[in-house]
Amino acid sequence: KQEVTQIPAALSVPEGENLVLNCSFTDSAIYNLQWFRQDPGKGLTSLLLIQSSQREQTSGRLNASLDKSSGRSTLYIAASQPGDSATYLCAVPQYNAGNMLTFGGGTRLMVKP
Amino acid sequence: DAGVTQSPTHLIKTRGQQVTLRCSPKSGHDTVSWYQQALGQGPQFIFQYYEEEERQRGNFPDRFSGHQFPNYSSELNVNALLLGDSALYLCASRPGTSGRATYNEQFFGPGTRLTVL
Repeated sequence: KQEVTQIPAALSVPEGENLVLNCSFTDSAIYNLQWFRQDPGKGLTSLLLIQSSQREQTSGRLNASLDKSSGRSTLYIAASQPGDSATYLCAVPQYNAGNMLTFGGGTRLMVKP
Repeated sequence: DAGVTQSPTHLIKTRGQQVTLRCSPKSGHDTVSWYQQALGQGPQFIFQYYEEEERQRGNFPDRFSGHQFPNYSSELNVNALLLGDSALYLCASRPGTSGRATYNEQFFGPGTRLTVL
């Protein structure tokens, strides 16, 4: 059974810092890994989808890396801003289960001005 | 493109009642999944619908049931509500008929906040 863990659970940093959020998964037989952002009480916004054949995916100040063999992904946020404050979730689809997503518990990020 | 839409936004029910939540998938998507997210936790998969049939189911009791309509929209029904059913219910959609469907990105709606008193 796939298990996804995110560390740290919460993070508070001053504006302008570069951040690394970590995601680990137990079953390396994945097709892709997706990073989401969630604002309080809101739905999930897809940030990046990184395929198993890729090692990195970039969108603006965000960069996601994937190392299947070690079961790890990182989300790098450059030059953090207060508007980046949110919960960040990673998720992997379950093979042969209709791509049901298994989520980590999330990292709650606060960027202070 | 309206993206994934859900209704209602908020709902308050009492224990023992029944509730129906609704979801319209993103344009071009025919596969709909439902997730339950308790406060402070990651979403948990409830079930998935494709071609109007339940295709996959997570570890949820039979009190949770669903339906998909010919226009791909979907409903989630919960009977005999418990206090523990209080959560944010999320709907996600993706294209299911593509040959590379496995690789496709999933898009989520804004959710329905259910409070059971």
